[in-house]
Amino acid sequence: DAKTTQPPSMDCAEGRAANLPCNHSTISGNEYVYWYRQIHSQGPQYIIHGLKNNETNEMASLIITEDRKSSTLILPHATLRDTAVYYCIVRAINTGTASKLTFGTGTRLQVTL
Amino acid sequence: NAGVTQTPKFQVLKTGQSMTLQCAQDMNHNSMYWYRQDPGMGLRLIYYSASEGTTDKGEVPNGYNVSRLNKREFSLRLESAAPSQTSVYFCASSRDRGLPMNTEAFFGQGTRLTVV
Repeated sequence: DAKTTQPPSMDCAEGRAANLPCNHSTISGNEYVYWYRQIHSQGPQYIIHGLKNNETNEMASLIITEDRKSSTLILPHATLRDTAVYYCIVRAINTGTASKLTFGTGTRLQVTL
Repeated sequence: NAGVTQTPKFQVLKTGQSMTLQCAQDMNHNSMYWYRQDPGMGLRLIYYSASEGTTDKGEVPNGYNVSRLNKREFSLRLESAAPSQTSVYFCASSRDRGLPMNTEAFFGQGTRLTVV
């Protein structure tokens, strides 16, 4: 699976959009971009994933560049409860095999008043 | 719907003692995983099971054994605990079969293990 690079930490004011970048310049054509977050040492929580098109769900939006070498997770209206470590993970989806995840150290997002 | 349940939540062991961490999921998922997380680090895969009856090593399997007891349960055993195994252990599961393809992983709340 391709490696990812994320900034170690970011700050965001409550109510503003949080834009978390991720570089994955060695991504392959069959690899997806996944985002998980971990709130205060709880188990990681799935947020969103995508292949090449932008994706949106009730939690966040995922913007993937046209060359797929980088992506941005957008939390449109960050709240204090969004303070967490955010992990960007790139991996292939293979039918019938386990979805092993390779975690880096992620981005620690601090949402402030 | 409980999701992924881990027991115990906390444990202190003496060096050389053995113990088994239990994990159960109620989502009828095919794949299950054990990860460990050391302070300030990301999660590292210890072992995984792609289906009932199969297990495979992950990134850091030394010092651990696993059993996929049935589709619901996946246990992690430390035969002779060492201080280097002090960590937070997370169990996870994912469906990985069927359409639409769903590889979202669900995690338990973790077991905090200290080996003294």
